[in-house]
Amino acid sequence: GIQVEQSPPDLILQEGANSTLRCNFSDSVNNLQWFHQNPWGQLINLFYIPSGTKQNGRLSATTVATERYSLLYISSSQTTDSGVYFCAVGISYDKVIFGPGTSLSVIP
Amino acid sequence: GAVVSQHPSRVICKSGTSVKIECRSLDFQATTMFWYRQFPKKSLMLMATSNEGSKATYEQGVEKDKFLINHASLTLSTLTVTSAHPEDSSFYICSAENRALNTEAFFGQGTRLTVV
Repeated sequence: GIQVEQSPPDLILQEGANSTLRCNFSDSVNNLQWFHQNPWGQLINLFYIPSGTKQNGRLSATTVATERYSLLYISSSQTTDSGVYFCAVGISYDKVIFGPGTSLSVIP
Repeated sequence: GAVVSQHPSRVICKSGTSVKIECRSLDFQATTMFWYRQFPKKSLMLMATSNEGSKATYEQGVEKDKFLINHASLTLSTLTVTSAHPEDSSFYICSAENRALNTEAFFGQGTRLTVV
């Protein structure tokens, strides 16, 4: 089955700093999503981005499908950005698999 | 985006009892629903895929007699944890999608199950 890797596994940022999270996957996909899971467990859909680039406020994401990776950019980080960021990938008419996640802590 | 409602959000039950978790797509027809389980500080692990009107497909290592999944309509799937034990305590999340629309999967709020 498809393999998903995320890096770094853990990240500590000073408030206001920028960061890049990476997701590598082992096969072609046509579904890629980035999620933020807050400390209460709620899973928030950030981007649906099987290819290309999207931006939403301080967050943006880029997926290079041909090279099998996706990047999530967080700019001017805030303490509310803390939590775990998951990349999830899937192939048409098949299951969606989650990566191991990046645990982000933003300190004031 | 589309809304998926999961109920209950928290449940505490006694060992040996069964618990039912509901997953509803509120504003679209979900041809496929997925059930995930998440242990503390771990990622989401897919348990099973359910297609409306047919039997669920379980991932390797998931006991289908322990985790009963029913997807009787295009807006509702249920997961029943039968004869629950403390090791079944976990965070369970469902997701729903309509593959004909080729959009992303939408996730419920999750259910935190504690078996005492």
